[in-house]
Amino acid sequence: ILNVEQSPQSLHVQEGDSTNFTCSFPSSNFYALHWYRWETAKSPEALFVMTLNGDEKKKGRISATLNTKEGYSYLYIKGSQPEDSATYLCAPIQGAQKLVFGQGTRLTINP
Amino acid sequence: EAGVTQFPSHSVIEKGQTVTLRCDPISGHDNLYWYRRVMGKEIKFLLHFVKESKQDESGMPNNRFLAERTGGTYSTLKVQPAELEDSGVYFCASSFTRLAGGYNEQFFGPGTRLTVL
Repeated sequence: ILNVEQSPQSLHVQEGDSTNFTCSFPSSNFYALHWYRWETAKSPEALFVMTLNGDEKKKGRISATLNTKEGYSYLYIKGSQPEDSATYLCAPIQGAQKLVFGQGTRLTINP
Repeated sequence: EAGVTQFPSHSVIEKGQTVTLRCDPISGHDNLYWYRRVMGKEIKFLLHFVKESKQDESGMPNNRFLAERTGGTYSTLKVQPAELEDSGVYFCASSFTRLAGGYNEQFFGPGTRLTVL
C-alpha cells in the first residue's frame, strides 16, 4: 500500500503572494500521479496528470513538477487569488487504476 | 457533457438503518470507482467496476457494504446496517478505457455526505 504524504496540511497565504506545497510518495513502481483541486461539496477537479520524471505542467497560474526518482511532486501557485482557496489533493496510481490520496493541503487565501 | 452525478447529496440516518447511494457516471465511461473520505482522513479507494464486473473490491471495509452496477451504467452502494464509523463523504468517479497500457483519467462526482447517528 502506498504511503502518500502532503505538506503542509494547511496554509494561509496573502492574496498576490506565490506559494507551493509538496507531495511525497514511494518512488518504486511509479505509474502516474494526479493533482486535484477540491472545494467542499463540489467535485474534485483534476488539475494535472503526470507520468514522466522531470514532467512540468502548467495551467494558468498553477504549475506542477514531478521527480519520480526521489518520489515527490511540487504544486506551485503564482500570484494567489481568493478563488484559489481549496484543498489540493495529490494521488499517485497504485496498480493500473487505483488512486491513493494524500490527506491534502488546505489552502486559504487572505484578501 | 454532463459530469458524474451522485444522489443524494446528503443523507442522515440512524445506526442500524440501510442507505443506498447512487452514482451516474459520464456517458460512455466503462470504468466506475467508489471512494470514501472519513472526517479528517484521506480519500480511500473502495472498489472499481469495469462495465458491470467488479475489477477490484479490495477497499471495501466489510460485508455491510454492497456495490452493484447492473447493466454497466449507473451504480449503487448500499450500506446495511449502517454503523457510526460509516459516516463520511462517498465519492464516485468514472473513466473510459484508453488504448491498452494508457492511463485512464478519473472524473469525480461531488460526493454524498453520509451521517450516521
